[in-house]
Amino acid sequence: SAVISQKPSRDICQRGTSLTIQCQVDSQVTMMFWYRQQPGQSLTLIATANQGSEATYESGFVIDKFPISRPNLTFSTLTVSNMSPEDSSIYLCSVEWTETYEQYFGPGTRLTVT
Amino acid sequence: AQSVTQPDIHITVSEGASLELRCNYSYGATPYLFWYVQSPGQGLQLLLKYFSGDTLVQGIKGFEAEFKRSQSSFNLRKPSVHWSDAAEYFCAVASLSGGYNKLIFGAGTRLAVHP
Repeated sequence: SAVISQKPSRDICQRGTSLTIQCQVDSQVTMMFWYRQQPGQSLTLIATANQGSEATYESGFVIDKFPISRPNLTFSTLTVSNMSPEDSSIYLCSVEWTETYEQYFGPGTRLTVT
Repeated sequence: AQSVTQPDIHITVSEGASLELRCNYSYGATPYLFWYVQSPGQGLQLLLKYFSGDTLVQGIKGFEAEFKRSQSSFNLRKPSVHWSDAAEYFCAVASLSGGYNKLIFGAGTRLAVHP
C-alpha cells in the first residue's frame, strides 16, 4: 500500500477565492485521482492525473474550475477556483497500485466555502 | 453504463451480531469489485477486493465478501460486529477507461452499532 498525505486537512474560504490542495505519496505512482465527496454523499471522480500529460476530466468537471498539476510521480495538486458555497465538500486524492489495481486514498481535505 | 447500488442507506446492529451489507453492480464484463470503509473524519480504507478466482474473499478487520455473478452482487459480511465498526461503507466497481481503472462508487451504507 501507499502512505498518502493531503494539505490542508481543512479550510474555510470565502466565495470567489481559490484554494490549492496538495497530495503527496510516499512511493512513485503512475496514476493519481481526485475525488469530490459532497456532504452526505458518495465519491465522484473529478479527474485523473497522469504524470507528464494533461489531466483527464470527468463529465461535469472542467479544467478552468479544477486545474490540476502533476509535476512528478509522487505529487499532485488540485485547485478549486472561484469558489462558491456549492464547492463545500471533502476532496480526496487517491493513487492506483498498478500491480494490483487497488486504489488507496488520502485523508481528504474538508473545504467550507462561506 | 456501469453503476453500483447499495440498497440500504442506514443499518443498525447490536454489538456481537452478524452483519451483511448489500451491493449490486451493473457492468458488462468481469468486474473488479471493492469494499471501502470511511470512519468519521477519515479517508477511505480498502477492506477487500475481488478480481477473479475464489468468489469468497477475505479482507481486513474480519470482513469477507462473496461475489455472485448470477445475482450481480458483492455483499459484505462480518460474523460479529464490534462497536468500532460503526462507519460508512462504500462498494465500488472499477471501470476500465482510457487505460486505467476508474472507480464508480455506490451511495454508501452508514452502519450504527448499538452496545
